[in-house]
Order: sequence, then structure tokens, then C-alpha cells
Amino acid sequence: GAVVSQHPSWVICKSGTSVKIECRSLDFQATTMFWYRQFPKQSLMLMATSNEGSKATYEQGVEKDKFLINHASLTLSTLTVTSAHPEDSSFYICSAREGTGHQPQHFGDGTRLSIL
Amino acid sequence: DAKTTQPNSMESNEEEPVHLPCNHSTISGTDYIHWYRQLPSQGPEYVIHGLTSNVNNRMASLAIAEDRKSSTLILHRATLRDAAVYYCIPFEAGNMLTFGGGTRLMVKP
Repeated sequence: GAVVSQHPSWVICKSGTSVKIECRSLDFQATTMFWYRQFPKQSLMLMATSNEGSKATYEQGVEKDKFLINHASLTLSTLTVTSAHPEDSSFYICSAREGTGHQPQHFGDGTRLSIL
Repeated sequence: DAKTTQPNSMESNEEEPVHLPCNHSTISGTDYIHWYRQLPSQGPEYVIHGLTSNVNNRMASLAIAEDRKSSTLILHRATLRDAAVYYCIPFEAGNMLTFGGGTRLMVKP
């Protein structure tokens, strides 16, 4: 089946640090990639959608200058949390989809980010 | 996006069938019905999807009402590993998945 690899699985860093999270589709080409955030005991919230070679589309309330998304190839997207603060601590999950039809989205295992 | 209604939680005994309901009365004619599940501390996992006909795969079965306003995910024999939050998501081709609250399934040994 389709596999999405996300790295790192967890990271702890000091306030003010920038953190990069990688998302790779291992056995398919991802036309579109998605980034979600999930706070404890809540559902997933979509942050942004990106297509290869294009600028990401951010959901309302998500700061594009704080959450930098790069989708440079059909198999790799990165999310950089710039100048992270404790309120950015969350579970970040990437997802990828092949094609633009009704195919399923495939998800990474998530990155647990803790900002001290 | 079509609104969905799912029970907050359900319990099942191990090795018994589980029927997880979902109401999606505002679904459009072209929306597929997708089901995902999320195990603790993991990303969501695709389970099954369908449009009008009932669907079966190795993980589960999906029964879709004739008017498409509701569907039921069927796990034929629940195992402890099936304990997860199950999300029912009407999905229009080309769009992104929008997650609601889902149903937390607890499986008792």
C-alpha cells in the first residue's frame, strides 16, 4: 500500500528555534500534500494544502510566515515552524494524495513537537 | 462540506462484530464516503470508501444507505488493535479531507 514517511517523529527544542519536518511519499508520486495539526483530545485541523512546484494554500488563521511549506518535488514536502514558541507545541501530521480524483489520502505517523 | 454526525464513543467485545454509524444527510451527489481511523499517537489510516454500492476490503465493509444520507462501517471481528477513533468523511474529488469528532471505539478483551 501507499506509504508516507514523516520525520522526525518527535522533537523537543527551545523557544525561538526553527524546526523542519519532512514528509515523503515512498512508493507513489504525490500530486498534493497536506499538513494538519492536532492538539490533545481534539480532531485534526487542516493547516495548508500544497501542490508540487506551487505556493501552498493556507487555511484561515494559519500564519504563512510562521509555517513555511515547501513542496519541491512529487515525493517531498517540508514544513518549517519558524521561531517556535510553546503555543506551537502540537502533533503535526502530513498527508499525501496521488492524483486529483477521489483517491484516499495517505498519512504519515506524525511529529510530536514540544517547545520549551 | 457535508456535515456528519457520529456517536462520540462506542464499546465492543473482542471477536464480535462492530457497526459504526454515520449520518451525512447533507451529502452531495458526487461526494464519496471515506472512512479513516486513528490509533493513539499515530496519523490517520485509510479504511475504506464508497459512493453508492456497499464495499468490502480486507479491513472492513461499508454499507451505504440507498438515499446516501447515512452509512455504516462494519468491522466483522473486532480485535484489541481496532481500538481507535473512526472518522466518517464525505469527500468531493479534488478537495481535502476535513475531520470531525469521530467515534472512539473501545474494544474489551
